[in-house]
Amino acid sequence: AQSVTQLGSHVSVSEGALVLLRCNYSSSVPPYLFWYVQYPNQGLQLLLKYTTGATLVKGINGFEAEFKKSETSFHLTKPSAHMSDAAEYFCAVSVPMGGGTSYGKLTFGQGTILTVHP
Amino acid sequence: GAVVSQHPSRVICKSGTSVKIECRSLDFQATTMFWYRQFPKQSLMLMATSNEGSKATYEQGVEKDKFLINHASLTLSTLTVTSAHPEDSSFYICSAGGDYGYTFGSGTRLTVV
Repeated sequence: AQSVTQLGSHVSVSEGALVLLRCNYSSSVPPYLFWYVQYPNQGLQLLLKYTTGATLVKGINGFEAEFKKSETSFHLTKPSAHMSDAAEYFCAVSVPMGGGTSYGKLTFGQGTILTVHP
Repeated sequence: GAVVSQHPSRVICKSGTSVKIECRSLDFQATTMFWYRQFPKQSLMLMATSNEGSKATYEQGVEKDKFLINHASLTLSTLTVTSAHPEDSSFYICSAGGDYGYTFGSGTRLTVV
């Protein structure tokens, strides 16, 4: 079974400051890792994902994350926060499956609410 | 890109009635659909996984007779909350899974009064 731990349920930064949202995972097999953003009363939007290959993954809106197997981490960063980044962020893990569906069920972390101050 | 249309976005129903939530994949075939429930200020909890043409697999603790899932075609999956009660009030989200990854619906806010 896999699990995800997001350190910090709330993170507050100033506009223009570095954003760092922490995620650690547990998986018995090489995982697929994801970061999603959710705005109030909306679904989830994919920011980025890691499956295989390059461990530094670039996503939308200037976000990136680095898969560190030795640390079992997949922290999300953005060099300069924007007011529009204020939202809730979820880290998630799945394990690859054979057959017709390559992506198994997702397990989500508890979420981190990002607040951006002017 | 892949889009999943989820309806309704909001629904208010009386206690004891049933509510159906639909998720349609608009430009691709969703072989697998995941249904999640999200309580306020909490994460998404997987309720069940359904594959087209077969019975859904429910997570531990989820009542399959209460949350009926139908995935009769590659473009449509439905979740029916039967005999709804106030404790069923929540945000329900579907997600189509496949070789490309996951595509989420926009969610349904269910309020049972």
